[in-house]
Amino acid sequence: AQTVTQSQPEMSVQEAETVTLSCTYDTSENNYYLFWYKQPPSRQMILVIRQEAYKQQNATENRFSVNFQKAAKSFSLKISDSQLGDTAMYFCALLGGGADGLTFGKGTHLIIQP
Amino acid sequence: KAGVTQTPRYLIKTRGQQVTLSCSPISGHRSVSWYQQTPGQGLQFLFEYFSETQRNKGNFPGRFSGRQFSNSRSEMNVSTLELGDSALYLCASSHPRDRLGNEQFFGPGTRLTVL
Repeated sequence: AQTVTQSQPEMSVQEAETVTLSCTYDTSENNYYLFWYKQPPSRQMILVIRQEAYKQQNATENRFSVNFQKAAKSFSLKISDSQLGDTAMYFCALLGGGADGLTFGKGTHLIIQP
Repeated sequence: KAGVTQTPRYLIKTRGQQVTLSCSPISGHRSVSWYQQTPGQGLQFLFEYFSETQRNKGNFPGRFSGRQFSNSRSEMNVSTLELGDSALYLCASSHPRDRLGNEQFFGPGTRLTVL
């Protein structure tokens, strides 16, 4: 069985600061993908960034980047120059080769303070 | 290109009733997945359909079922509703070209309340 753990239920930072959200996972698959999804109050799930397990280079999307440590099964999300619009629930998710759909963590509620 | 649409957006039912939720994927997407989101259990995978066939199924009782039509639209049905079925039901579609790692595009969800 696959598991995803997010140990920070809530985080709060000031606008323009950098924040890192933690995620650890467990899977027996060799080929898998990791994702960070954002869910704002509207409840619309939006993909922030994804990482293929076989790629050593950490993925980057504008202000969002990941620190993927495969051996440690860690996949953290760094948000630089945080903005008020980044306030949302952030979910870490895993999709494995056996793939019974995405396995999600419990989420981190990120609050950006003005 | 239109996004994933789900209907209805809100639904109130009573225990014992059944309900059908609908999902229209993005044009060209043939894979549709369903997820249940509750405060207690978080986001859980229900099932995935591809080309009218259920490809994967999560750990939910048989009261939860689904189907997919030839135009890729999908429905999920919950029979004999229980209070614990109150949740946000999310549908996601993806292109099947490379299933693993493909972005799943989510709809806005259907909020089901069971009284």
